[in-house]
Amino acid sequence: KAGVTQTPRYLIKTRGQQVTLSCSPISGHRSVSWYQQTPGQGLQFLFEYFSETQRNKGNFPGRFSGRQFSNSRSEMNVSTLELGDSALYLCASSRLAGVDGELFFGEGSRLTVL
Amino acid sequence: EDQVTQSPEALRLQEGESSSLNCSYTVSGLRGLFWYRQDPGKGPEFLFTLYSAGEEKEKERLKATLTKKESFLHITAPKPEDSATYLCAVQERGANNLFFGTGTRLTVIP
Repeated sequence: KAGVTQTPRYLIKTRGQQVTLSCSPISGHRSVSWYQQTPGQGLQFLFEYFSETQRNKGNFPGRFSGRQFSNSRSEMNVSTLELGDSALYLCASSRLAGVDGELFFGEGSRLTVL
Repeated sequence: EDQVTQSPEALRLQEGESSSLNCSYTVSGLRGLFWYRQDPGKGPEFLFTLYSAGEEKEKERLKATLTKKESFLHITAPKPEDSATYLCAVQERGANNLFFGTGTRLTVIP
């Protein structure tokens, strides 16, 4: 059974640019959550999608957005990049909405903003 | 606001030297406490979920326990392959996301 797949794994951008990250959940999983991981803050919740609807959003500025497609694949977008956006962006999937036990994480997309 | 504090930040153990990692939390109502393991360059991997004070879960050399204010991850006779960062997270009642601590980086020396 294939795990959660995130692309790209690594990317470098400059300030002011935008970036789109992709996440393919485990087959049959309809919920996708995104987390930002930095050394100082740990993992911080960005948003969760279930059946193409955003169910929950963390405390991040509007520059961070996401969407989910009918096949449950999800994308997140960060516009007008800032140096502080450098982080590992993790996607997690689960069969049901919300968190009710186990989240399956991908290996992440490491974003460096110069 | 939810808070999760993990200690110590880093821990070095000799192979076979048992120890415990601590996770203290503050939430208005706990729905669940989760332990994950994260290896370098990988995403977190689920270990346990605990729902109520007094609950215990075991998996190989790991045992997680929960009280009303903290959780412990006990590691018995660790091996070098147990080296990883261990993350604790809480889910508040009514919330749909996890609030993570910053983790304990465990190194087990052969």
